[in-house]
Amino acid sequence: AQKVTQAQTEISVVEKEDVTLDCVYETRDTTYYLFWYKQPPSGELVFLIRRNSFDEQNEISGRYSWNFQKSTSSFNFTITASQVVDSAVYFCALSGRLGGGYNKLIFGAGTRLAVHP
Amino acid sequence: EPEVTQTPSHQVTQMGQEVILRCVPISNHLYFYWYRQILGQKVEFLVSFYNNEISEKSEIFDDQFSVERPDGSNFTLKIRSTKLEDSAMYFCASSPDSLGGEQYFGPGTRLTVT
Repeated sequence: AQKVTQAQTEISVVEKEDVTLDCVYETRDTTYYLFWYKQPPSGELVFLIRRNSFDEQNEISGRYSWNFQKSTSSFNFTITASQVVDSAVYFCALSGRLGGGYNKLIFGAGTRLAVHP
Repeated sequence: EPEVTQTPSHQVTQMGQEVILRCVPISNHLYFYWYRQILGQKVEFLVSFYNNEISEKSEIFDDQFSVERPDGSNFTLKIRSTKLEDSAMYFCASSPDSLGGEQYFGPGTRLTVT
């Protein structure tokens, strides 16, 4: 079965703190894709990053960075120097062939991040 | 920048009524999806659509649900006889390819069944 676990339901930080959102996945696929999406209070889903299972290089985009470790089946997301505008729900998602095709995204439960001034 | 659009943004309907949620995917995308998110919960896959047919559907997508691409631009989700538990945010998404392709989501339609 394919599954995504985001154990942190809510995180609260003060602006400028660094914060890491955890994501652990389960799959028997050898080829799969991992994603992070942001859902701000307005409700839309904003794509942040996609990673395939063969690319374990860490990625940095501005204040955002992602750490993919196949050995621990984790794809964690770190926000450096958090800002109030980072307040949102963040979803990790998985896509793989054993899910019936590459099509569907299997989402975790999400982590609500609140950044306070 | 091209984006997925959805109408209406909010739909209120009475139990037992039929609703049609509309989406316009990004024009050169080939794969289309519907997801739903019950308030405060995770996003759940409903159905994927490619080449004018359903390629995959979840257990949620029962006989009360149907999808259609009536023309070259619209992609619709119909719920034949709505139930209270159908109340949720419904997201449409499109993707240029299926091989782990990035899915671009619309802003969602909030469906409230009373």
